[in-house]
Amino acid sequence: QKEVEQNSGPLSVPEGAIASLNCTYSDRGSQSFFWYRQYSGKSPELIMFIYSNGDKEDGRFTAQLNKASQYVSLLIRDSQPSDSATYLCAATVTNFGNEKLTFGTGTRLTIIP
Amino acid sequence: EPEVTQTPSHQVTQMGQEVILRCVPISNHLYFYWYRQILGQKVEFLVSFYNNEISEKSEIFDDQFSVERPDGSNFTLKIRSTKLEDSAMYFCASKMGRDTEAFFGQGTRLTVV
Repeated sequence: QKEVEQNSGPLSVPEGAIASLNCTYSDRGSQSFFWYRQYSGKSPELIMFIYSNGDKEDGRFTAQLNKASQYVSLLIRDSQPSDSATYLCAATVTNFGNEKLTFGTGTRLTIIP
Repeated sequence: EPEVTQTPSHQVTQMGQEVILRCVPISNHLYFYWYRQILGQKVEFLVSFYNNEISEKSEIFDDQFSVERPDGSNFTLKIRSTKLEDSAMYFCASKMGRDTEAFFGQGTRLTVV
């Protein structure tokens, strides 16, 4: 079973601080990784994707990928109360050329004003 | 900005009844998916669809489930005889190509009573 593991939290971070979210994956063949934000009762909203080892920055968000350690992380700088949500890590799993996303259970993040 | 749209947003049905969940993927996307999320659980893959046929399906996607792309825009998920355990949020997703980002619709909350 190809899995994506996340700490379910909850993770509480003061407003303005850096929130750090982590994820590991089991399928060494996974090539692309995604962070989705999900508000309660809503659908996953894509916030970052990363394909290459290293860091990728987009505004207040930085995704980090280490394929050797099978580790993906998301940093949120200058955290805002509106960042409070569940963050889903997903990896593309390929089976006989067919791709699908495998999701972690999500980390619930609360930004404390 | 293009988006995936799903209807209805909420459907209540009696056990044993058939339901059809509808999706309009983003127009230039080629890969289509259905995922579901039981309350409090992770997002799970159901089925992928490419080039007018199912490319992969999960163990959840048994004979009670079917998908169809009846015209150039709609993508439907049919559950023939619903069970209580089919109650979940069902998400449609689409993406343009391999190793690209998948975008999710707002979901259909299915409640089987």
